[in-house]
Amino acid sequence: DAMVIQNPRYQVTQFGKPVTLSCSQTLNHNVMYWYQQKSSQAPKLLFHYYDKDFNNEADTPDNFQSRRPNTSFCFLDIRSPGLGDAAMYLCATSRGWGGAYNEQFFGPGTRLTVL
Amino acid sequence: GENVEQHPSTLSVQEGDSAVIKCTYSDSASNYFPWYKQELGKGPQLIIDIRSNVGEKKDQRIAVTLNKTAKHFSLHITETQPEDSAVYFCAAPRAGTALIFGKGTTLSVSS
Repeated sequence: DAMVIQNPRYQVTQFGKPVTLSCSQTLNHNVMYWYQQKSSQAPKLLFHYYDKDFNNEADTPDNFQSRRPNTSFCFLDIRSPGLGDAAMYLCATSRGWGGAYNEQFFGPGTRLTVL
Repeated sequence: GENVEQHPSTLSVQEGDSAVIKCTYSDSASNYFPWYKQELGKGPQLIIDIRSNVGEKKDQRIAVTLNKTAKHFSLHITETQPEDSAVYFCAAPRAGTALIFGKGTTLSVSS
């Protein structure tokens, strides 16, 4: 089945130690998104790629970076994780924008713990 | 930009009752309104969506209604079951691009 895959499902890192989260998709969608979700809150959009075009949300900390080397893969890099970065990180894809093309397909998420 | 307000933040119902969650949006150009269900420890899953050219859409026990004039849309779940317990999010496109999510509603269905 076509899907959005995130690895690892659980990640533990130390304060200040760089960490990379991975997302892959078999849907061949143009857009890939990264969200941060803290407990009992809505997903917060960090950035997205439309093909190779990168769009960073204005309030996304500089500590967060992303790479999309090809259509299928997208990475979230946290350069120096702080305790406040502990959260669920969700990857999502969509075919594009406009009407039902906006439908987003989410991965299962990566739960990040910062010690 | 688009702003999405969702109410209530928590909703408790008895099994078999109906549940209604409401959202308002600010961008009159928005034309796509999805509802997502998120179970504990999982990513959000689309349960129903509606385009701006229709006023209502049903899928078994779930329905969504849209009032473009008032800029609000609602999720209706009938004959609720314990497995409906989850967090529900509404969303709308920001200037036709990325979705903006409401703050979520925690639905608890007790048997």
